[in-house]
Amino acid sequence: DVKVTQSSRYLVKRTGEKVFLECVQDMDHENMFWYRQDPGLGLRLIYFSYDVKMKEKGDIPEGYSVSREKKERFSLILESASTNQTSMYLCASSLGSYNEQFFGPGTRLTVL
Amino acid sequence: KNQVEQSPQSLIILEGKNCTLQCNYTVSPFSNLRWYKQDTGRGPVSLTIMTFSENTKSNGRYTATLDADTKQSSLHITASQLSDSASYICVVSLGNNNDMRFGAGTRLTVKP
Repeated sequence: DVKVTQSSRYLVKRTGEKVFLECVQDMDHENMFWYRQDPGLGLRLIYFSYDVKMKEKGDIPEGYSVSREKKERFSLILESASTNQTSMYLCASSLGSYNEQFFGPGTRLTVL
Repeated sequence: KNQVEQSPQSLIILEGKNCTLQCNYTVSPFSNLRWYKQDTGRGPVSLTIMTFSENTKSNGRYTATLDADTKQSSLHITASQLSDSASYICVVSLGNNNDMRFGAGTRLTVKP
Protein backbone atom coordinates (compact mmCIF):
# COMPACT_ATOMS: atom_id res chain seq x y z
CA ASP A 1 0.00 0.00 0.00
CA VAL A 2 1.06 3.54 -0.70
CA LYS A 3 1.97 5.43 2.39
CA VAL A 4 2.07 9.19 2.55
CA THR A 5 3.17 10.57 5.88
CA GLN A 6 3.17 14.12 7.19
CA SER A 7 5.51 15.31 9.90
CA SER A 8 2.90 16.62 12.30
CA ARG A 9 -0.81 16.02 12.87
CA TYR A 10 -1.26 19.25 14.84
CA LEU A 11 0.86 22.37 14.89
CA VAL A 12 0.46 25.69 16.67
CA LYS A 13 2.59 28.64 15.57
CA ARG A 14 2.68 32.37 16.17
CA THR A 15 2.20 35.07 13.56
CA GLY A 16 5.46 35.79 11.76
CA GLU A 17 7.08 32.45 12.47
CA LYS A 18 8.59 30.37 9.69
CA VAL A 19 6.78 27.05 9.39
CA PHE A 20 7.91 23.85 7.70
CA LEU A 21 5.48 21.09 6.82
CA GLU A 22 7.10 17.87 5.66
CA CYS A 23 5.62 15.14 3.50
CA VAL A 24 7.17 11.80 2.62
CA GLN A 25 5.87 9.09 0.27
CA ASP A 26 7.29 5.61 0.00
CA MET A 27 6.10 4.47 -3.44
CA ASP A 28 8.53 6.25 -5.77
CA HIS A 29 5.77 8.53 -7.07
CA GLU A 30 6.70 11.21 -9.56
CA ASN A 31 4.10 13.78 -8.57
CA MET A 32 3.54 15.36 -5.18
CA PHE A 33 1.01 17.98 -4.13
CA TRP A 34 0.19 20.33 -1.28
CA TYR A 35 -3.40 21.36 -0.61
CA ARG A 36 -5.18 23.28 2.06
CA GLN A 37 -8.67 22.34 3.13
CA ASP A 38 -11.07 24.84 4.66
CA PRO A 39 -14.74 24.33 5.59
CA GLY A 40 -17.07 25.04 2.70
CA LEU A 41 -14.24 25.55 0.22
CA GLY A 42 -12.97 22.08 -0.48
CA LEU A 43 -9.36 21.30 -1.22
CA ARG A 44 -7.35 24.01 -2.94
CA LEU A 45 -4.03 23.32 -4.60
CA ILE A 46 -1.11 25.35 -3.28
CA TYR A 47 1.83 23.86 -5.20
CA PHE A 48 2.70 20.65 -6.95
CA SER A 49 5.89 19.02 -8.15
CA TYR A 50 6.30 16.55 -11.01
CA ASP A 51 9.98 15.86 -10.48
CA VAL A 52 12.85 16.52 -8.13
CA LYS A 53 13.66 20.23 -7.91
CA MET A 54 10.63 21.01 -10.11
CA LYS A 55 7.62 22.92 -8.84
CA GLU A 56 4.49 24.47 -10.24
CA LYS A 57 2.15 26.98 -8.65
CA GLY A 58 -1.35 25.85 -7.91
CA ASP A 59 -4.40 27.99 -7.32
CA ILE A 60 -3.30 29.71 -4.11
CA PRO A 61 0.51 29.87 -3.91
CA GLU A 62 0.75 33.29 -2.27
CA GLY A 63 2.45 33.17 1.10
CA TYR A 64 3.86 29.69 0.49
CA SER A 65 6.93 28.14 -1.02
CA VAL A 66 7.96 24.52 -1.56
CA SER A 67 11.06 22.40 -1.79
CA ARG A 68 11.64 19.04 -3.40
CA GLU A 69 15.27 18.03 -3.03
CA LYS A 70 14.54 14.29 -3.02
CA LYS A 71 11.89 12.36 -4.89
CA GLU A 72 10.20 11.05 -1.79
CA ARG A 73 10.02 14.32 0.13
CA PHE A 74 8.03 17.47 -0.55
CA SER A 75 8.14 20.35 1.91
CA LEU A 76 5.73 23.24 2.27
CA ILE A 77 7.15 26.43 3.78
CA LEU A 78 5.31 29.36 5.26
CA GLU A 79 7.96 32.09 5.32
CA SER A 80 6.01 34.28 7.74
CA ALA A 81 2.89 32.61 9.08
CA SER A 82 -0.30 34.64 9.25
CA THR A 83 -3.60 33.92 10.94
CA ASN A 84 -5.35 33.42 7.60
CA GLN A 85 -3.08 30.44 7.01
CA THR A 86 -4.77 28.56 9.83
CA SER A 87 -6.06 25.49 8.01
CA MET A 88 -5.79 21.77 7.39
CA TYR A 89 -2.88 21.01 5.06
CA LEU A 90 -2.94 17.83 3.01
CA CYS A 91 -0.10 16.32 1.05
CA ALA A 92 -0.70 13.88 -1.80
CA SER A 93 1.33 11.90 -4.31
CA SER A 94 0.61 10.11 -7.57
CA LEU A 95 2.55 7.88 -9.89
CA GLY A 96 1.89 10.03 -12.94
CA SER A 97 -0.44 12.61 -14.38
CA TYR A 98 -3.25 10.12 -15.00
CA ASN A 99 -3.10 8.23 -11.75
CA GLU A 100 -4.97 8.38 -8.46
CA GLN A 101 -3.65 10.75 -5.82
CA PHE A 102 -2.92 9.23 -2.43
CA PHE A 103 -3.27 11.55 0.51
CA GLY A 104 -1.50 11.87 3.82
CA PRO A 105 -3.43 12.24 7.09
CA GLY A 106 -3.15 16.01 7.11
CA THR A 107 -1.61 18.62 9.40
CA ARG A 108 -3.94 20.94 11.24
CA LEU A 109 -2.05 24.21 11.55
CA THR A 110 -3.20 26.97 13.89
CA VAL A 111 -1.52 30.36 13.64
CA LEU A 112 -2.11 32.59 16.67
CA LYS B 1 -17.83 30.29 -7.71
CA ASN B 2 -16.75 26.70 -7.23
CA GLN B 3 -16.78 24.80 -10.49
CA VAL B 4 -17.76 21.61 -8.69
CA GLU B 5 -20.89 21.87 -6.59
CA GLN B 6 -21.96 19.17 -4.18
CA SER B 7 -25.27 18.68 -2.44
CA PRO B 8 -26.43 18.36 0.17
CA GLN B 9 -23.80 20.05 2.30
CA SER B 10 -24.60 17.63 5.12
CA LEU B 11 -26.86 14.65 5.59
CA ILE B 12 -27.96 12.53 8.54
CA ILE B 13 -29.45 9.08 7.95
CA LEU B 14 -30.24 6.02 10.02
CA GLU B 15 -28.11 2.93 9.81
CA GLY B 16 -29.33 0.56 7.12
CA LYS B 17 -30.89 3.27 4.96
CA ASN B 18 -29.77 4.24 1.48
CA CYS B 19 -28.70 7.70 0.40
CA THR B 20 -27.59 9.57 -2.70
CA LEU B 21 -25.09 12.39 -2.89
CA GLN B 22 -24.97 14.76 -5.83
CA CYS B 23 -22.16 16.44 -7.74
CA ASN B 24 -22.63 18.97 -10.55
CA TYR B 25 -19.68 20.42 -12.39
CA THR B 26 -19.02 23.05 -15.03
CA VAL B 27 -15.33 22.47 -15.71
CA SER B 28 -13.99 21.42 -19.08
CA PRO B 29 -12.34 19.72 -20.83
CA PHE B 30 -13.42 16.76 -18.76
CA SER B 31 -10.98 13.91 -18.17
CA ASN B 32 -12.38 11.91 -15.28
CA LEU B 33 -14.39 12.17 -12.09
CA ARG B 34 -13.50 10.60 -8.78
CA TRP B 35 -15.38 10.23 -5.55
CA TYR B 36 -13.27 10.29 -2.41
CA LYS B 37 -14.19 9.35 1.14
CA GLN B 38 -12.56 11.33 3.94
CA ASP B 39 -12.88 10.02 7.46
CA THR B 40 -12.49 12.53 10.26
CA GLY B 41 -8.83 13.29 10.89
CA ARG B 42 -7.66 11.42 7.82
CA GLY B 43 -6.81 12.20 4.22
CA PRO B 44 -9.25 11.43 1.39
CA VAL B 45 -9.28 7.92 -0.09
CA SER B 46 -10.49 7.21 -3.62
CA LEU B 47 -13.74 5.22 -3.94
CA THR B 48 -14.42 5.28 -7.67
CA ILE B 49 -13.17 6.82 -10.87
CA MET B 50 -15.17 7.32 -14.07
CA THR B 51 -14.06 8.51 -17.47
CA PHE B 52 -16.22 10.16 -20.11
CA SER B 53 -17.45 6.87 -21.56
CA GLU B 54 -18.46 5.29 -18.25
CA ASN B 55 -21.83 6.02 -16.72
CA THR B 56 -21.74 3.77 -13.67
CA LYS B 57 -19.10 2.27 -11.42
CA SER B 58 -19.54 0.24 -8.24
CA ASN B 59 -17.30 -0.38 -5.27
CA GLY B 60 -19.09 -2.62 -2.81
CA ARG B 61 -22.05 -0.70 -1.39
CA TYR B 62 -20.98 2.45 -3.23
CA THR B 63 -22.29 3.09 -6.75
CA ALA B 64 -21.31 6.17 -8.70
CA THR B 65 -23.07 7.39 -11.81
CA LEU B 66 -21.98 9.92 -14.38
CA ASP B 67 -23.95 11.85 -16.99
CA ALA B 68 -21.29 13.65 -18.99
CA ASP B 69 -23.91 15.43 -21.09
CA THR B 70 -25.56 17.16 -18.14
CA LYS B 71 -22.28 17.21 -16.16
CA GLN B 72 -23.78 15.49 -13.17
CA SER B 73 -22.61 12.65 -10.99
CA SER B 74 -24.12 10.89 -8.01
CA LEU B 75 -22.82 8.58 -5.34
CA HIS B 76 -25.36 6.09 -4.01
CA ILE B 77 -24.69 4.31 -0.74
CA THR B 78 -26.70 1.18 -0.07
CA ALA B 79 -27.53 -0.23 3.36
CA SER B 80 -25.51 2.40 5.18
CA GLN B 81 -23.24 1.50 8.07
CA LEU B 82 -21.91 3.58 10.94
CA SER B 83 -18.48 3.47 9.29
CA ASP B 84 -19.90 5.32 6.29
CA SER B 85 -19.94 8.48 8.41
CA ALA B 86 -17.45 10.70 6.63
CA SER B 87 -17.12 13.50 4.13
CA TYR B 88 -17.55 12.53 0.49
CA ILE B 89 -15.68 14.65 -2.01
CA CYS B 90 -16.28 14.85 -5.74
CA VAL B 91 -13.18 15.62 -7.81
CA VAL B 92 -13.17 16.44 -11.51
CA SER B 93 -9.94 16.20 -13.47
CA LEU B 94 -9.41 18.37 -16.51
CA GLY B 95 -7.58 17.52 -19.73
CA ASN B 96 -4.25 17.77 -17.94
CA ASN B 97 -4.85 15.34 -15.13
CA ASN B 98 -2.80 17.32 -12.66
CA ASP B 99 -5.47 20.02 -12.94
CA MET B 100 -8.21 18.91 -10.58
CA ARG B 101 -11.24 20.69 -9.18
CA PHE B 102 -12.55 19.64 -5.80
CA GLY B 103 -16.06 19.96 -4.50
CA ALA B 104 -16.55 21.19 -0.94
CA GLY B 105 -17.84 17.77 0.07
CA THR B 106 -20.95 16.31 1.67
CA ARG B 107 -20.71 15.49 5.36
CA LEU B 108 -22.62 12.22 5.95
CA THR B 109 -23.55 11.08 9.44
CA VAL B 110 -25.01 7.62 9.92
CA LYS B 111 -26.80 7.16 13.22
CA PRO B 112 -27.71 3.87 14.92
